[in-house]
Amino acid sequence: GNSVTQMEGPVTLSEEAFLTINCTYTATGYPSLFWYVQYPGEGLQLLLKATKADDKGSNKGFEATYRKETTSFHLEKGSVQVSDSAVYFCALRRNSGNTPLVFGKGTRLSVIA
Amino acid sequence: DVKVTQSSRYLVKRTGEKVFLECVQDMDHENMFWYRQDPGLGLRLIYFSYDVKMKEKGDIPEGYSVSREKKERFSLILESASTNQTSMYLCASIATGSLGYTFGSGTRLTVV
Repeated sequence: GNSVTQMEGPVTLSEEAFLTINCTYTATGYPSLFWYVQYPGEGLQLLLKATKADDKGSNKGFEATYRKETTSFHLEKGSVQVSDSAVYFCALRRNSGNTPLVFGKGTRLSVIA
Repeated sequence: DVKVTQSSRYLVKRTGEKVFLECVQDMDHENMFWYRQDPGLGLRLIYFSYDVKMKEKGDIPEGYSVSREKKERFSLILESASTNQTSMYLCASIATGSLGYTFGSGTRLTVV
């Protein structure tokens, strides 16, 4: 079956530090991959996506590259801010049919000034 | 601005009550989903619907049912609420052929 594994949190960083949140997946075929972010008290928002191997998704200074050979989609940001404090979810969805998103367990990030 | 609206942000119900969680989207999306979110478990799919009057079980449907009588509304029903259904419930929708879900803000349900 399809599944997503992401690094457990919480992750605590100082402002301007480099961020990596690891995500690996198991899937049949070639899924689309996503990062969602949940700010305190809110629902999830799409942060970035990639639909095929070697695609790089990017948004708000965050990046992730679809690596088929390592089945990974790690989230990175060069310099985090306090406002990046949130829970980050890696997810996948098969490209065929109308299949639901499959989520990882989420990683809580806290950025301190 | 397009959105998914969940009728309540916070809800407290008693064990054994029948509970209705409502979700409405204004984007004419065919597909709607109900997830529950629990610490350390992430998001787990309860039910989803591809069209009016259609429903599919997700990973954890036990103790829940759903109703989709109109395209814009997808209701989650807890037939007899139990304390282990205390959770954050998230509704989402997406147009067929699109990639990104739109989520509601969530309903935090406490069953006492």
